[in-house]
Amino acid sequence: QVHLVQSGAEVKKPGSSVKVSCKPSGGAFNSYVFYWVRQAPGQGLEWMGGIMPIFGTGIYAQKFQGRVTVSADESTSTGYMELNSLTFEDTAVYYCARGKDGGSYYNPPDIWGQGTLVTVSS
Amino acid sequence: QSALTQPASVSGSPGQSITISCTGSNSDIGHYDYVSWYQQHPGEAPRFIIYDVNERPSGVSNRFSGSKSGNTASLTISGLQAEDEADYYCSSFTTTSTWVFGGGTKVTVL
Repeated sequence: QVHLVQSGAEVKKPGSSVKVSCKPSGGAFNSYVFYWVRQAPGQGLEWMGGIMPIFGTGIYAQKFQGRVTVSADESTSTGYMELNSLTFEDTAVYYCARGKDGGSYYNPPDIWGQGTLVTVSS
Repeated sequence: QSALTQPASVSGSPGQSITISCTGSNSDIGHYDYVSWYQQHPGEAPRFIIYDVNERPSGVSNRFSGSKSGNTASLTISGLQAEDEADYYCSSFTTTSTWVFGGGTKVTVL
């Protein structure tokens, strides 16, 4: 069974940036889509974006366009999500998730990481 | 892309069946049969339980079933059990090649 291992919790100042990593424990990295989803405290899931490593460019929810970058390092089989210009409202658990079956954005998030808590605090 | 609409809460007694609705638009649920459902217990990551409207991933109980009519998808949990008490989220692929989630439904087993 493949697991997604995410980087540890972060505390950031307003206006700064955060970069969260996500590394699968196995499986072919380039063959899947990797998504990023966040969940603010006590709130629902919010889809942020995704990337197919083989193509190298991400897709993003309109809400986050211009503020988030999803990337993938094929040499280390690691995915990244970078969010800029942080505000208090960005305090949330950020999840990476692998798309089911293969390299198409039609494939929904299937296997999820453990989540990374990002706290924005002054 | 607006979030899909789910009821805030649904409850049922053990052994009963409950249904959670998820309403979208012609740009998501009404356009594609790419609807998924997730179960989330407190403090845990979401768990994938339904995809492509009514398909179950390996290992998911057949007590969970999905359906769709027009712009509304539904998740039915039959033979409700205490362990089914959790939050449930629907999700759909959209015409902008993105995914959108519903606001979530809290299921309470009475």
